[in-house]
Amino acid sequence: AQSVTQLGSHVSVSEGALVLLRCNYSSSVPPYLFWYVQYPNQGLQLLLKYTSAATLVKGINGFEAEFKKSETSFHLTKPSAHMSDAAEYFCAVTGGTGANNLFFGTGTRLTVIP
Amino acid sequence: DADVTQTPRNRITKTGKRIMLECSQTKGHDRMYWYRQDPGLGLRLIYYSFDVKDINKGEISDGYSVSRQAQAKFSLSLESAIPNQTALYFCATSDSGSYEQYFGPGTRLTVT
Repeated sequence: AQSVTQLGSHVSVSEGALVLLRCNYSSSVPPYLFWYVQYPNQGLQLLLKYTSAATLVKGINGFEAEFKKSETSFHLTKPSAHMSDAAEYFCAVTGGTGANNLFFGTGTRLTVIP
Repeated sequence: DADVTQTPRNRITKTGKRIMLECSQTKGHDRMYWYRQDPGLGLRLIYYSFDVKDINKGEISDGYSVSRQAQAKFSLSLESAIPNQTALYFCATSDSGSYEQYFGPGTRLTVT
């Protein structure tokens, strides 16, 4: 069965500091993995995706994530946090059955301290 | 104009009332989804539809029904709303050849 675990429901960083949001997945088949961002009062927006090509994936707004099969992880990073990065971030994994269904983690709320 | 729209954006209703949430898309995608979001629980899939004649239950379909009126329209109904259906509801779409889903802005539903 597919599942996603996001460690830390809340993460706070200072402006300019490294952002690290953790995601571990469980999948019975090679997964596709996604990070979505949700700004206040908005829907989810795709940040980046891993679809079995390069293991280091670059997304929008300076974010990137690295797929590590040995660790079953897909952590999201950004070298320098900006105030505008404050949002909730969701990791998601595909169902692996040919269907397009995504299984979402419980989310991590990022706070950026000026 | 937004590619995926949801109406209404906010709704307050009373226990026992029937309510319909609507979703429309202009992306030309054949697959559509309904999720609910609750604090600390992430997004959970309610129903999904691969085309007009193909509708499937998701993880938490009890108490909900859907209708795919056209490729571009997918409605979610609560036949008899109850307070624990208070949540943020999202519609999403995807192309059959892609896992990437595109989300609407959400409908905040409160059942009193």
